[in-house]
Amino acid sequence: KNEVEQSPQNLTAQEGEFITINCSYSVGISALHWLQQHPGGGIVSLFMLSSGKKKHGRLIATINIQEKHSSLHITASHPRDSAVYICAVSVNNNDMRFGAGTRLTVKP
Amino acid sequence: DAGVIQSPRHEVTEMGQEVTLRCKPISGHNSLFWYRQTMMRGLELLIYFNNNVPIDDSGMPEDRFSAKMPNASFSTLKIQPSEPRDSAVYFCASSRLAGANTGELFFGEGSRLTVL
Repeated sequence: KNEVEQSPQNLTAQEGEFITINCSYSVGISALHWLQQHPGGGIVSLFMLSSGKKKHGRLIATINIQEKHSSLHITASHPRDSAVYICAVSVNNNDMRFGAGTRLTVKP
Repeated sequence: DAGVIQSPRHEVTEMGQEVTLRCKPISGHNSLFWYRQTMMRGLELLIYFNNNVPIDDSGMPEDRFSAKMPNASFSTLKIQPSEPRDSAVYFCASSRLAGANTGELFFGEGSRLTVL
């Protein structure tokens, strides 16, 4: 079993829909990261969080440390949000484990 | 700031050849990471440095892989000899150990390696 599990693997939505991507992990962590990888291949860090909730524009990330679970929400989705979203956890500060990613396609 | 800079962006080489990938971290960042991404295995941490010192290289697949960080502004990942199964995208990332945005990762554009 992978230490970091994401769901769903693939997600197709219509523009404007509210989107949720889930991440569960089975190891002790110091932080959780949500990364975005666009079709061109570049990776951007969206959030790093160790508790509670963070918001940036239309993106919201939450984490429940007790349940070892995090969610990434996108409100009012747009085709430019189409990307692979990767959940990663920091173990012992800098050692990182990655989820397999969720491929999001937002159709106009 | 120019961000994390990797070179080359693309490399195609023949099996058995030496490959050297290069990375310049963001100025002021004191942690540097090398990752590999393949379709089969996704993203994997190969090695990371804190203050130019290798901390954990347990992700390095074999002795054919080596990484160095001679100073705070430069790191290399070398594969010698290369094999077709090394074909992947290799990412470099950097972060701060302390101060503002500690631990937030900044990725380079990646180096796409194809070994024929």
